[in-house]
Amino acid sequence: EVQLVESGGGLVQPGGSLRLSCAASGFTFSDHYMEWVRQAPGKGLEWVGRSRKKTTSYTTEYAASVKGRFTISRDESKNLLFLEMSSLKSEDTAMYYCTRDLAYGGIYYFDQWGQGALVTVSS
Amino acid sequence: DIQLTQSPSFLSASVGDRVTITCRASQGINNYLAWYQQKPGKAPKLLIYAASTLQSGVPSRFSGSGSGTEFTLTISSLQPEDFATYYCEQVKSYPITFGGGTKVEIK
Repeated sequence: EVQLVESGGGLVQPGGSLRLSCAASGFTFSDHYMEWVRQAPGKGLEWVGRSRKKTTSYTTEYAASVKGRFTISRDESKNLLFLEMSSLKSEDTAMYYCTRDLAYGGIYYFDQWGQGALVTVSS
Repeated sequence: DIQLTQSPSFLSASVGDRVTITCRASQGINNYLAWYQQKPGKAPKLLIYAASTLQSGVPSRFSGSGSGTEFTLTISSLQPEDFATYYCEQVKSYPITFGGGTKVEIK
C-alpha cells in the first residue's frame, strides 16, 4: 500500500525557516516524480514544486511564489522527500501536501497524497 | 501562467442528479488536465487524468471530457458521498495550476 506521511509542520515566525519531511512507502521512491502542493486555510490548491525521478537526477521546479526561498530534496536511502522553507511569510501559512506522481504518456499527475502538514507563519 | 476557470464555483444538487462542472483554460493544454475531489479536512483525491481517463478505483459515474481549452467533469448520478469540492488542474506547462474549485452541496 502506498503511504505518504508528512511531518515537521508547526508555528514559525515571519522570516523564519522550517523543514517538512514526507516519508514514502509502498512503492519505489526513486522511480517517481514527487510534488509539494499547499492549501491556505479556506482556499484552493497551489502547486509549490516538483522533484523529478532519479533517472532525471531529481531535478526540481518551483512556483514563482516560493522560488529562491524553498528547496525540495530527497534522501533516497530513507525514502524521504523534504521541503526546506526559509524567509517565511504570513502568506505561506497553509496545509502542505506531499504527492506522488502517476506517469501517463510522459505527463505526470498527482495520484497519491499525504494527509498534510500544517505550517502557520505568525508572530 | 495558464489560468483555469471553473464554473460554477458553487452547485446545489440532489442525490440522483446529473452534475456537470466546466473548466476553461486560458490557452490550449491539449488533454493535459486532471480532476480532483476534496472532502473537508481530507487530502484531494485524483478522479480523472488526461482529461478523460478514470483513475483506478473511481466509480464509473464520474467521467471527464474535453481537449484544448474546454473541459467537463460529469457525475451521472450524484451520490451522498460525492458532496465535496472539485478542482481541475493543468499539467501542460509550469507553473502547474489549479482551478478555483467547485463546491457541490446538498440541495
